[in-house]
Amino acid sequence: DQQVKQNSPSLSVQEGRISILNCDYTNSMFDYFLWYKKYPAEGPTFLISISSIKDKNEDGRFTVFLNKSAKHLSLHIVPSQPGDSAVYFCAARAIQGAQKLVFGQGTRLTINP
Amino acid sequence: GAGVSQSPSNKVTEKGKDVELRCDPISGHTALYWYRQSLGQGLEFLIYFQGNSAPDKSGLPSDRFSAERTGGSVSTLTIQRTQQEDSAVYLCASSFGGQDTQYFGPGTRLTVL
Repeated sequence: DQQVKQNSPSLSVQEGRISILNCDYTNSMFDYFLWYKKYPAEGPTFLISISSIKDKNEDGRFTVFLNKSAKHLSLHIVPSQPGDSAVYFCAARAIQGAQKLVFGQGTRLTINP
Repeated sequence: GAGVSQSPSNKVTEKGKDVELRCDPISGHTALYWYRQSLGQGLEFLIYFQGNSAPDKSGLPSDRFSAERTGGSVSTLTIQRTQQEDSAVYLCASSFGGQDTQYFGPGTRLTVL
């Protein structure tokens, strides 16, 4: 049972354009969502997060949007840069007690010059 | 560096052998997590340690897997009688507290022949 799904295994975007990565979840007990970025042979690096009490969180070029009714979140990167090329993982955490993160399968983003 | 470190970075073993993977968390972090990433998959939670509390072992896939955290710092994940399906990248993460951002190590790539 895949509770967090990233349905696009890969995405190619032109440098300078907007990258939009999507994530869907099924568990209504999730109350906190995160995006991690992973380069080859490195561990995932925290990028940005959002609490379920918000619908948007922005940090520089990165914005995360949360649509609770649709159980959907997205990460927007604008403008996209070559260094953004990496695998992006969406993760979710349930309310109270369960500290573990539930991850999606990841989306490989390639920024083309 | 002050990040999470893991050793070895790569481990090749024969089916049926036991392996030990080590994690050194960030100094001062009370929470420690083990995840694994199989080929083409997202990260899968294995076990969580928080201070002196009993660990959350709910993600361990079988009784061949065990983990310890000595002195509230270093952790060892042990896999007994390894099987080919155990081949994966094993990632350790730590956080200041159970609700805080998890910081990942570079992982140990385990290959079971």
